[in-house]
Amino acid sequence: AQSVTQLGSHVSVSEGALVLLRCNYSSSVPPYLFWYVQYPNQGLQLLLKYTTGATLVKGINGFEAEFKKSETSFHLTKPSAHMSDAAEYFCAVTPNTGFQKLVFGTGTRLLVSP
Amino acid sequence: NAGVTQTPKFRVLKTGQSMTLLCAQDMNHEYMYWYRQDPGMGLRLIHYSVGEGTTAKGEVPDGYNVSRLKKQNFLLGLESAAPSQTSVYFCASSPGRNQPQHFGDGTRLSIL
Repeated sequence: AQSVTQLGSHVSVSEGALVLLRCNYSSSVPPYLFWYVQYPNQGLQLLLKYTTGATLVKGINGFEAEFKKSETSFHLTKPSAHMSDAAEYFCAVTPNTGFQKLVFGTGTRLLVSP
Repeated sequence: NAGVTQTPKFRVLKTGQSMTLLCAQDMNHEYMYWYRQDPGMGLRLIHYSVGEGTTAKGEVPDGYNVSRLKKQNFLLGLESAAPSQTSVYFCASSPGRNQPQHFGDGTRLSIL
């Protein structure tokens, strides 16, 4: 069975600082991994995804994530935070074989201060 | 392009009442999903559909029913609403299995 752990329900950074949101997964088979962002009163939007191939994945709004199989991690980073990045971020995993439900982490709320 | 549209956006029900949430997608996606989102619990899958005329149970199906009579629509029904069903409900769709899902803006449901 798959599971996702997001360390830290809240992360606070200053505008211009590095953003690092942590995600560790558990999967018995090679996974597909996703990061979604949710702005207030909206649905989830896909930031980026890892399926196969290059382990460093670039997404929208300057975010990127690196798949590290040895560490079972898929941490999300952005070199310089912007006020508009304040939102909730969800990591999700699904196996790459057969149909399995997408399993979400519990989310990390990113707070950006001026 | 509307994507995934959910109606209504807000609703308040009394315990025991029934209602139906409607999800419509215009992307010709095969797969559709219903989730509920509760504080500190992420999103939990209620039911899903892998094509017109099919439905399957997710992680938390009790107290809900679904129907997918048309490819573009996925309905979620609450048979007898309970306060524990107070939540934000999200519909999503995807073109195929294990593909990125596209989400609607949610329905905020309160059961008194």
